[in-house]
Amino acid sequence: AQSVTQLDSHVSVSEGTPVLLRCNYSSSYSPSLFWYVQHPNKGLQLLLKYTSAATLVKGINGFEAEFKKSETSFHLTKPSAHMSDAAEYFCVVSDLWNNDMRFGAGTRLTVKP
Amino acid sequence: DSGVTQTPKHLITATGQRVTLRCSPRSGDLSVYWYQQSLDQGLQFLIQYYNGEERAKGNILERFSAQQFPDLHSELNLSSLELGDSALYFCASSSRQGVGYGYTFGSGTRLTVV
Repeated sequence: AQSVTQLDSHVSVSEGTPVLLRCNYSSSYSPSLFWYVQHPNKGLQLLLKYTSAATLVKGINGFEAEFKKSETSFHLTKPSAHMSDAAEYFCVVSDLWNNDMRFGAGTRLTVKP
Repeated sequence: DSGVTQTPKHLITATGQRVTLRCSPRSGDLSVYWYQQSLDQGLQFLIQYYNGEERAKGNILERFSAQQFPDLHSELNLSSLELGDSALYFCASSSRQGVGYGYTFGSGTRLTVV
């Protein structure tokens, strides 16, 4: 069975500085990996997804993530944080064809002015 | 607007009562998933339907049930409500039975049991 671990429950950065949200996964098969963002009192929005194509995945709002099989990681990065990036971020792993999508516990990103 | 519509947005009810949450998936999506999000449990998968049939069950209580109708909308029924059922309930949809393509989430129904 697959699982995902988000290594930081809370990350705080200053506006304009880089963002790094860390995610490690475990999967028996070739995984599909996703990052979702949840703003306060909102639903979850898909930021980006990896499904066995290019290992560097670009998403919306300037975010990107790199799939590293040797490290079983799928860290989310952004070169320069914006105040609007403050939200909860979820890393998700699934097998390509099954119905089991496993969410991480989430990382709360705070952006300081 | 994600294309997944959930109603109502907010619901306040008393313990012991029964409520129904409704979800209309994105146009063309056949799969509907229900999730519960609470502060202590995080995001928990409840149940999935694909084209009217139950496909997968997660941590869904026996007091909870769901169905997907021929027009593909889905309802989640919660009965004998307890204080601990207070949570955000999300519906998500996808175009295929498998999830390799990601979900589209609705904005959720916030249930408060008093």
